[in-house]
Amino acid sequence: GESVGLHLPTLSVQEGDNSIINCAYSNSASDYFIWYKQESGKGPQFIIDIRSNMDKRQGQRVTVLLNKTVKHLSLQIAATQPGDSAVYFCAEIPNQAGTALIFGKGTTLSVSS
Amino acid sequence: DTEVTQTPKHLVMGMTNKKSLKCEQHMGHRAMYWYKQKAKKPPELMFVYSYEKLSINESVPSRFSPECPNSSLLNLHLHALQPEDSALYLCASSQEGQPNTEAFFGQGTRLTVV
Repeated sequence: GESVGLHLPTLSVQEGDNSIINCAYSNSASDYFIWYKQESGKGPQFIIDIRSNMDKRQGQRVTVLLNKTVKHLSLQIAATQPGDSAVYFCAEIPNQAGTALIFGKGTTLSVSS
Repeated sequence: DTEVTQTPKHLVMGMTNKKSLKCEQHMGHRAMYWYKQKAKKPPELMFVYSYEKLSINESVPSRFSPECPNSSLLNLHLHALQPEDSALYLCASSQEGQPNTEAFFGQGTRLTVV
C-alpha cells in the first residue's frame, strides 16, 4: 500500500491497496483528535476519533494512530475503494478553555479502479 | 437525527446586499459553530456559540454577524461583503463540555459575492 511519512497534499492509490494519510498537529495541549472525510460539494463527515490517552483506535476498515512524542496522527484505510476518494482532514481540540476544533491541512485521496 | 441542516445551499449576493445563512440541529447540542472554507483549504473557525452565548470570535470582520436565537438555530447575517468573502460556509454542532466529542457538520452554503 501507499505510505507517506510527511504530509502530502495528494495521494493516489489503486483500488484494493491500503492507504496511509499523515497529519502533524500543532498543539501539545490537544487531547482529542478526529479524522474527517469531505467529498466534493459536501460538508466534512466524521470518520474516526482518538483521545490522547490512546495510541491506536480501529474502526471499520480504518485505523487511527497517534504519536504524541512527535505530534503525529495517521489514518490508515484498508482495501481502499473508489468511494473513499475525497479530501481527508485531521482535526484537533486543545484541552484549553475557549478553544474549538482546529483543522489541519487536507490530503486529497484519489482511488483508481 | 444526526443532521445539521443549512439553508440556502447556494447564495449569490451583491456587495450592497444583506442576506442571512441559517443552520438548524435537533441533536440537543449546546455548542454551535461557523466555519469558512476556501477552495482546497481546510475549514477555518469563525465563531463558536456555547449555550446560546458567543464564546469565540476569531477576529472576524463585522460584516459577518452571528446570532443564536435558541439552542437549535444558528444564523450568520451578511452585510456589505467583498468578493474575497466568497467561500463555503459550514455550520457545525457538538455536545458541550468534557470530554470533547465530534462536531457534526452541515452540507454548507456556497456563497458567491459579486
